[in-house]
Amino acid sequence: AQSVTQLGSHVSVSEGALVLLRCNYSSSVPPYLFWYVQYPNQGLQLLLKYTSAATLVKGINGFEAEFKKSETSFHLTKPSAHMSDAAEYFCAVVQTDSWGKLQFGAGTQVVVTP
Amino acid sequence: DTEVTQTPKHLVMGMTNKKSLKCEQHMGHRAMYWYKQKAKKPPELMFVYSYEKLSINESVPSRFSPECPNSSLLNLHLHALQPEDSALYLCASSQVDRERGGEQFFGPGTRLTVL
Repeated sequence: AQSVTQLGSHVSVSEGALVLLRCNYSSSVPPYLFWYVQYPNQGLQLLLKYTSAATLVKGINGFEAEFKKSETSFHLTKPSAHMSDAAEYFCAVVQTDSWGKLQFGAGTQVVVTP
Repeated sequence: DTEVTQTPKHLVMGMTNKKSLKCEQHMGHRAMYWYKQKAKKPPELMFVYSYEKLSINESVPSRFSPECPNSSLLNLHLHALQPEDSALYLCASSQVDRERGGEQFFGPGTRLTVL
């Protein structure tokens, strides 16, 4: 089964600094990968997705992620953090052997300091 | 309409109560999901409906009973819950078409507290 690992449960960044959230996947077949964001007391919102069309994926709110097969990674970046980026971020992979099952990483809490 | 709605937003119930959570989408999606999310944890899949039929049950206790009355609605019936069932319950929907990558759209959730 496919899985994802998020490195770092908490990340603190200064406003205006680079945001880098790490996600590594394990999959024997080309995966479908997602980054979701969850603001306090809200549901999950899709930031971006990789479905093999392009390795550099641009999402909403200035985020992007690069799929690197050689490193089995799908790291999320944003060049300049904004206070509104403070939230929980989840990397997820679709289980290809059981369609409909999203396997989430443990999540990374992002704190943005002025 | 690209929204998944859930009602109620908050629910407090006793261990002997019966209540229901409701989820609705009008995006034409034929797959709908229930997740349970505890604080500081990722969502855990509970049930998946595909074309209004239950396709995945992740060994959820029988005190949770899902229902999909039509392609737009998903209910979760609750009975004799335990305090440890207190959590955020999320509904999601998606296309069934594998070519679209299985992107799921989430609702805002129902915050459930069991006393």
